[in-house]
Amino acid sequence: AQSVAQPEDQVNVAEGNPLTVKCTYSVSGNPYLFWYVQYPNRGLQFLLKYITGDNLVKGSYGFEAEFNKSQTSFHLKKPSALVSDSALYFCAVRDSGTYKYIFGTGTRLKVLA
Amino acid sequence: NAGVTQTPKFRVLKTGQSMTLLCAQDMNHEYMYWYRQDPGMGLRLIHYSVGEGTTAKGEVPDGYNVSRLKKQNFLLGLESAAPSQTSVYFCASKRGTRQETQYFGPGTRLLVL
Repeated sequence: AQSVAQPEDQVNVAEGNPLTVKCTYSVSGNPYLFWYVQYPNRGLQFLLKYITGDNLVKGSYGFEAEFNKSQTSFHLKKPSALVSDSALYFCAVRDSGTYKYIFGTGTRLKVLA
Repeated sequence: NAGVTQTPKFRVLKTGQSMTLLCAQDMNHEYMYWYRQDPGMGLRLIHYSVGEGTTAKGEVPDGYNVSRLKKQNFLLGLESAAPSQTSVYFCASKRGTRQETQYFGPGTRLLVL
């Protein structure tokens, strides 16, 4: 069965520093991978996706993610964190052969001024 | 263009009561989803629909029923609410087979006493 894991419940980073939010996946077949962000009391917003192609995927708000097939990882990155990036981040994968999506447990990012 | 809307925003139920959550989208999307969000568990798929008149089970369907009588609406029903169904419920939609981005509603917070 397809799954994603977000090993960190929370990540703290200083404003201006690079940030990484980790995600590993387990799929059969080609992975369809996603990152979403949730701000307080809001629904999730799409950030970026990997379907095929370049291993470095660029998304909204200056975020990017690196697909690594050998390490089965899809880490979210940003070169310079902003306080406004503080939110809950979810990694997700599409269940192969279906249109169901499986979400990770989420990582809370806190960017400190 | 309102996107995805959910009704109600908040509700308190007593154990054994029933209720229906309404999700509406004005983007002419084919696929619609119901998720629940619980602390430490991320988002879990309850039911989904790949088109008007169709529904399918997700990860945690027990205790819920759904209907998709109109393309723009996806209803989630709780026939006999239980405290374990206390959660935040999110609806999402996506355009079609080739479009992977899900658009989320603002959520419904449900408390079952």
